[in-house]
Amino acid sequence: DTEVTQTPKHLVMGMTNKKSLKCEQHMGHRAMYWYKQKAKKPPELMFVYSYEKLSINESVPSRFSPECPNSSLLNLHLHALQPEDSALYLCASSPLPGQATEGETQYFGPGTRLLVL
Amino acid sequence: TQLLEQSPQFLSIQEGENLTVYCNSSSVFSSLQWYRQEPGEGPVLLVTVVTGGEVKKLKRLTFQFGDARKDSSLHITAAQPGDTGLYLCAGATERGSTLGRLYFGRGTQLTVWP
Repeated sequence: DTEVTQTPKHLVMGMTNKKSLKCEQHMGHRAMYWYKQKAKKPPELMFVYSYEKLSINESVPSRFSPECPNSSLLNLHLHALQPEDSALYLCASSPLPGQATEGETQYFGPGTRLLVL
Repeated sequence: TQLLEQSPQFLSIQEGENLTVYCNSSSVFSSLQWYRQEPGEGPVLLVTVVTGGEVKKLKRLTFQFGDARKDSSLHITAAQPGDTGLYLCAGATERGSTLGRLYFGRGTQLTVWP
């Protein structure tokens, strides 16, 4: 089973709202990732959690706040977003971050399509 | 600058034709993944290649990793409309120090017409 699940599938929010995106994997993977993807572009890395600790923050604005409650769950808290933040938000996980080749393979969830009005 | 140069960016072909997509770099990769993505969905892993010179086959898809682990290709034989999608290559450059970072090509949008 190589499934990563994400909820919700779609989200519409105003610029003053607070919402959260959720991601879950039960593959025992020790690294989890958040990506942002605009239409017809490759995914852009936002955050990496390795062994439940934040290891990479790609200078993401503070209106995006990640959280890793445990090794299976990853959240992305959203507050005061801008219309340009509208995008597909992807979660991914990999077995062994930065180690042993096949362990670097990332498995993506189906994404949350976010629209900020 | 793009670490992985992927070409072509767009490909529109008839059912039954063959095609090849290329990913090239001046950097060495410890592993390289190929994904296929449909609009509004997450990328689906097709293959991971890890050994220089490695060739992997997945039905009508053949993946090759260059001997020097700097480039890769995806060849599709007898393309079908169901192959339509965005194909992405992504590579990890080092183990340990760039923990978890994948470098993506710009993607190849493939359309196969019946």
